[in-house]
Amino acid sequence: LAKTTQPISMDSYEGQEVNITCSHNNIATNDYITWYQQFPSQGPRFIIQGYKTKVTNEVASLFIPADRKSSTLSLPRVSLSDTAVYYCLVGVGGPDTGRRALTFGSGTRLQVQP
Amino acid sequence: ETGVTQTPRHLVMGMTNKKSLKCEQHLGHNAMYWYKQSAKKPLELMFVYSLEERVENNSVPSRFSPECPNSSHLFLHLHTLQPEDSALYLCASSQDNRGEPQHFGDGTRLSIL
Repeated sequence: LAKTTQPISMDSYEGQEVNITCSHNNIATNDYITWYQQFPSQGPRFIIQGYKTKVTNEVASLFIPADRKSSTLSLPRVSLSDTAVYYCLVGVGGPDTGRRALTFGSGTRLQVQP
Repeated sequence: ETGVTQTPRHLVMGMTNKKSLKCEQHLGHNAMYWYKQSAKKPLELMFVYSLEERVENNSVPSRFSPECPNSSHLFLHLHTLQPEDSALYLCASSQDNRGEPQHFGDGTRLSIL
């Protein structure tokens, strides 16, 4: 299973753009990259998922270079409520790959200051 | 509201007790999961069920016994637990077990005395 490496923590201020990068050197051909957000005493919440290039939804963008050995979660104009732990996951296979397990890393603790 | 409900939210038990954690999903998903989250440690995948059949068991001690009677319900039966089993136990579901995003409940905070 692909292992992920993320910064342990990051600090930002309200209104800034935050970019969290995740390394996954051993990502397999069929693996997707998925990001989750977790607040204290809650379960993780899905943010975004991608395979290559760029994916954007209403809350974030995900940038994946051509070699797919890393990915960057971009949060535009963060607010205090974005203070949370962010997890990057790989090792999730598509159909017919037989690969199923999700592996959560230690995550990145984002602290947004006023 | 995530569509995945876990009960109880908090549980305190002695090492000789037997208790069960319950998870229910209202999303029509076919796959369900149990995770353990200890303080300052990553989430650990414990069990995976797909269409009510256990498809993954990540070397979990036998004092944890899962049960999936149907695709909407998942239980984790606990007996003779150890203090190191104190953690947040999270249930999740996904459409199938093929990499779709998982929907998590808010967990059961378990404390072993």
